[in-house]
Amino acid sequence: EIVLTQSPTTIAASPGEKVTITCRASSSGTYMYWYQQKSGASPKLWIYDTSKLTSGVPNRFSGSGSGTSYSLTINTMETEDAATYYCQQWGSTPWTFGGGTKLELK
Amino acid sequence: QVNLLQSGAALVKPGASVKLSCKVSGYIFTDFYIHWVKQSHGLSLEWIGYINPNSDYANYNETFRSKATMTVDKSTNTAFLDLSRLTSEDSATYYCTRGGFGVGFAYWGQGTLVTVSS
Repeated sequence: EIVLTQSPTTIAASPGEKVTITCRASSSGTYMYWYQQKSGASPKLWIYDTSKLTSGVPNRFSGSGSGTSYSLTINTMETEDAATYYCQQWGSTPWTFGGGTKLELK
Repeated sequence: QVNLLQSGAALVKPGASVKLSCKVSGYIFTDFYIHWVKQSHGLSLEWIGYINPNSDYANYNETFRSKATMTVDKSTNTAFLDLSRLTSEDSATYYCTRGGFGVGFAYWGQGTLVTVSS
């Protein structure tokens, strides 16, 4: 099973700040997906195939990575971006998720 | 538009079973796999498995093989998740989601909260 380790677990950012969330995989050869989840709501697909933004996702978000290291970056933090973000791999079953990164507004 | 509507919250006793439903609309039911995902309170997400509504073939995460059974009813465009011999560890929110390789889990139900308590 591919284990995904996200860091940091929690991060606080001020509006306008740049934010980077990292996801490390225990083995390589996967495509990475990112989900945004707000309290009380279902997760939303945010980034797919490592770097492609789901329709409607602001272009201040970006995804990158390869091998065992992937990241989600917010170029300039906005209030509405406060949420928990999860990475998820499609490399091999069982499909697994990272432990989540809670992004808070400072 | 694509919609996945899940059954309501369930309170069940330890040792009992529960059957959750996920009724889809807005697309051809047999064209996409349905996956189920568990989220324990405040914790991360676990993939339970998927079912192919076209063939009824189901693929399980080994962690859930003895706990979960996935089925579909093509006549009502509904997927089901049966959870058996429930314990407090099974208390969680369960989501159905439409997904696939290359597209991710693009559509999610609203989730069903299962509480196991005597």
